[in-house]
Amino acid sequence: EAQLVQSGAEVKKPGESVKISCMGSGYSFTNYWIGWVRQMSGEGLEWVGMINPSDSDTRYSPPFRGQVTISVDKSSSAAYLQWSSLAVSDTAIYYCARLPFYSGRFWSFDYWGQGTLLMVSS
Amino acid sequence: DIQLTQSPSFLSASVGDRVTITCRAGQGISNFLVWYQQKPGKAPKLLIYATSTLQSGVPSRFSGSGSGTEFSLTISPLQPEDSATYYCQQLHSEPLTFGPGTKVDIK
Repeated sequence: EAQLVQSGAEVKKPGESVKISCMGSGYSFTNYWIGWVRQMSGEGLEWVGMINPSDSDTRYSPPFRGQVTISVDKSSSAAYLQWSSLAVSDTAIYYCARLPFYSGRFWSFDYWGQGTLLMVSS
Repeated sequence: DIQLTQSPSFLSASVGDRVTITCRAGQGISNFLVWYQQKPGKAPKLLIYATSTLQSGVPSRFSGSGSGTEFSLTISPLQPEDSATYYCQQLHSEPLTFGPGTKVDIK
């Protein structure tokens, strides 16, 4: 069965950089897009962006474009979400999820990672 | 961007009840509507995709319907383990957007 395992919690200071990971197993990693979703404390779900591991085609939600970078290493079946200069407002849980893409459309986030807590505080 | 609204934002119902959550899209999204269940401290779980297709392993008491701009998730009969927050999401066009969520409480 497909599984996504994310890296552990991070505690950072404003202005620092961080890169969190999402490792896929149990399926062909390059056959599905990987998406990232933010959930701030007590709040709902927000789509951050997504990447196609087969060709690194990357899409961002407008509020996150330029604020984060999504990348992939298909040789290790891992996707990444990184920040070069963190802000306190980046504090949240970040989930990765797998997106089936067929017949020219995305259909769901069908498998999710366990989430990575990112805490940014001075 | 396609905005999604959900109603109600909170509901409380008894075991065995039939509950319905509505999701409305700001413009037509065909059938590209998905429902997730999220329990506290856990990742969301896919329940239904393409408006009405039940994800493998999801109990048949969950069902989805709708098209265009109005969609619904029905749980019948409600079980104690269904206490959770439910989110709709549209995958018709980018940016992919989620509804604000509906919290379901068991009386």
